[in-house]
Amino acid sequence: GENVEQHPSTLSVQEGDSAVIKCTYSDSASNYFPWYKQELGKGPQLIIDIRSNVGEKKDQRIAVTLNKTAKHFSLHITETQPEDSAVYFCAAFGGTSYGKLTFGQGTILTVHP
Amino acid sequence: AAGVIQSPRHLIKEKRETATLKCYPIPRHDTVYWYQQGPGQDPQFLISFYEKMQSDKGSIPDRFSAQQFSDYHSELNMSSLELGDSALYFCATNGVRRETQYFGPGTRLLVL
Repeated sequence: GENVEQHPSTLSVQEGDSAVIKCTYSDSASNYFPWYKQELGKGPQLIIDIRSNVGEKKDQRIAVTLNKTAKHFSLHITETQPEDSAVYFCAAFGGTSYGKLTFGQGTILTVHP
Repeated sequence: AAGVIQSPRHLIKEKRETATLKCYPIPRHDTVYWYQQGPGQDPQFLISFYEKMQSDKGSIPDRFSAQQFSDYHSELNMSSLELGDSALYFCATNGVRRETQYFGPGTRLLVL
């Protein structure tokens, strides 16, 4: 089945800096890669996603890049704000694990004012 | 916009008791996924239903069962609860865009 590795496990930045979280996946047939933000005591919230036929997608301060050949994808947050502090999960969908999301281990992002 | 509804939000049970968790999808969503998230862990897929039929099965213990009803809501039934079942349980749903899953707020289960 699919295996997703996420790094770093914790990330601390100053307000206004950029944050980058990276994930690798193992199943080359996976074709959809969402990113979720999870605040304490809440459910994961979809913040951006990318499909395998696209190399980059941007939504305001958030962008995701995908390298299918290397099987890795990254989340980029620019101009970070304290309210960006949360746990971020990458996930992969499709291929042999079609029908379910396989999540990375999560990154605890802390943005210091 | 309407979101996924889960009930109850919190549940405390004793070992060996049973629990039933409920999930109400976003309107017109016909697929439901159940995930278990332990403390500091990522969500782990348990089981999914599409059009009231089980569509995929993950690491769901035999003590657990689930079903989807005609109104598309789903229930996760957990029996012979163990301490290790203490976790957050999320359901997620989707509709036309099969890969995009929207998560509910979760049920926090504590087994004492």
